[in-house]
Amino acid sequence: GAGVSQSPSNKVTEKGKDVELRCDPISGHTALYWYRQSLGQGLEFLIYFQGNSAPDKSGLPSDRFSAERTGGSVSTLTIQRTQQEDSAVYLCASSLLASSYNEQFFGPGTRLTVL
Amino acid sequence: AQSVAQPEDQVNVAEGNPLTVKCTYSVSGNPYLFWYVQYPNRGLQFLLKYITGDNLVKGSYGFEAEFNKSQTSFHLKKPSALVSDSALYFCAGGTGFQKLVFGTGTRLLVSP
Repeated sequence: GAGVSQSPSNKVTEKGKDVELRCDPISGHTALYWYRQSLGQGLEFLIYFQGNSAPDKSGLPSDRFSAERTGGSVSTLTIQRTQQEDSAVYLCASSLLASSYNEQFFGPGTRLTVL
Repeated sequence: AQSVAQPEDQVNVAEGNPLTVKCTYSVSGNPYLFWYVQYPNRGLQFLLKYITGDNLVKGSYGFEAEFNKSQTSFHLKKPSALVSDSALYFCAGGTGFQKLVFGTGTRLLVSP
C-alpha cells in the first residue's frame, strides 16, 4: 500500500519568502507529525495532529511556523519569511493513533534550502 | 521530562562482527521504546519496538534489542554486521499518549 508522501522533495527559496510543504499520510492514520532534521542532527519535533483534537504545537520554533491538517488527512507546514537557519530536511510521519505504542511511518522528507 | 540518549555519535564495526548501538531512556511509567534506521537521502524506517512482554525484541533485517529496566537501556544488536547496515540509527521512547522523544542518532559504519 501507499506510504507517507511529501512534496516537494526539494525546495530552494530566497530568504524572506514563504514556503509550503505538503504531507499525505497513510490512509486511515489519525495521527500526523512534523519533524525537522538539520544536517548531521537528530530529529526535532515540531507539531502533531490527532484526529479532531487541537494540535500539539509545542515544538514550533517561532510564530513564522504554522501547520494545518485539512479533513483529517493532508497536512501543510507553512514557513513565513524564511531564514537561512530554516534550511533543513522536514519529515512528516503518520501513525494509526497518537499513542506512543504505535510506530510512526515516515515520508521521504522535503529538503529546504534557504539562500 | 522524558528523554532518550544515544551516547555514541558513531559506531565502527567490521563486517561479520557483532554490533551494538546503545540507547538509554528516562521515561516515567512503563516505556514504549523504538529503533528506527535512516539510509542516506531516505526517511526513517521502523526496525523494532518494545511495548511489554519479552525483554528481547526481534525486528527487521536480523536486528534485535534488549530492554533492561534496571539499567534503563534498550541497546540495538546484530550478531553479524553487513556493509549494507551502514546507516543512521535512532532510538525513540515514550509512554501512554505522550509524543515520542527521539535520540540524537548514531551513525553506524560497517567496513568490508
